[in-house]
Amino acid sequence: NAGVTQTPKFQVLKTGQSMTLQCAQDMNHNSMYWYRQDPGMGLRLIYYSASEGTTDKGEVPNGYNVSRLNKREFSLRLESAAPSQTSVYFCASSEMTAAPRQTQYFGPGTRLLVL
Amino acid sequence: GEDVEQSLFLSVREGDSSVINCTYTDSSSTYLYWYKQEPGAGLQLLTYIFSNMDMKQDQRLTVLLNKKDKHLSLRIADTQTGDSAIYFCAENSGTYKYIFGTGTRLKVLA
Repeated sequence: NAGVTQTPKFQVLKTGQSMTLQCAQDMNHNSMYWYRQDPGMGLRLIYYSASEGTTDKGEVPNGYNVSRLNKREFSLRLESAAPSQTSVYFCASSEMTAAPRQTQYFGPGTRLLVL
Repeated sequence: GEDVEQSLFLSVREGDSSVINCTYTDSSSTYLYWYKQEPGAGLQLLTYIFSNMDMKQDQRLTVLLNKKDKHLSLRIADTQTGDSAIYFCAENSGTYKYIFGTGTRLKVLA
């Protein structure tokens, strides 16, 4: 039982390049999330998917798109990377978005550097 | 607005107790979480407490909640070098939305 997995672990991009961050969970969770973590700040929610087939914006969605490919997988896409998107990206999942099953479990993160 | 505040650093000697503090603003918070992040890793759920509880104990971890002051603390007994990490407090009102603190970096001195 791997929990939440993310690929790649590290990535360096040039400004304007595109890339997709992959996330998968094997806990049969309905809900999945993408966060970014920046120095001196807590985690900020980019997008989330309450259930397969739905996605919604979080606190900082600009410059990102997401796809809930199936129940297991939730990808995050940067269409035209900018230096401000240099960050550590975390994927998380939970059984549901409502109590008492909203507790989130996190993946190991993807470290992205945009030059 | 909603906010969660934590001190940035804490240093303790191995074998001592560590107390990491957190204050939050959202009075509707019903779940309060502690996560641990080791270097280069993701966030690991340590424990959580419901807002109708004052205390929760789990082995070396004790969580205390003062709802009146909106203050949460995590006590780690007999702190070990493996406890060195960043500890995040988070509040949640029972929905998808978590509000995370900036994290407290705990350094355990041998």
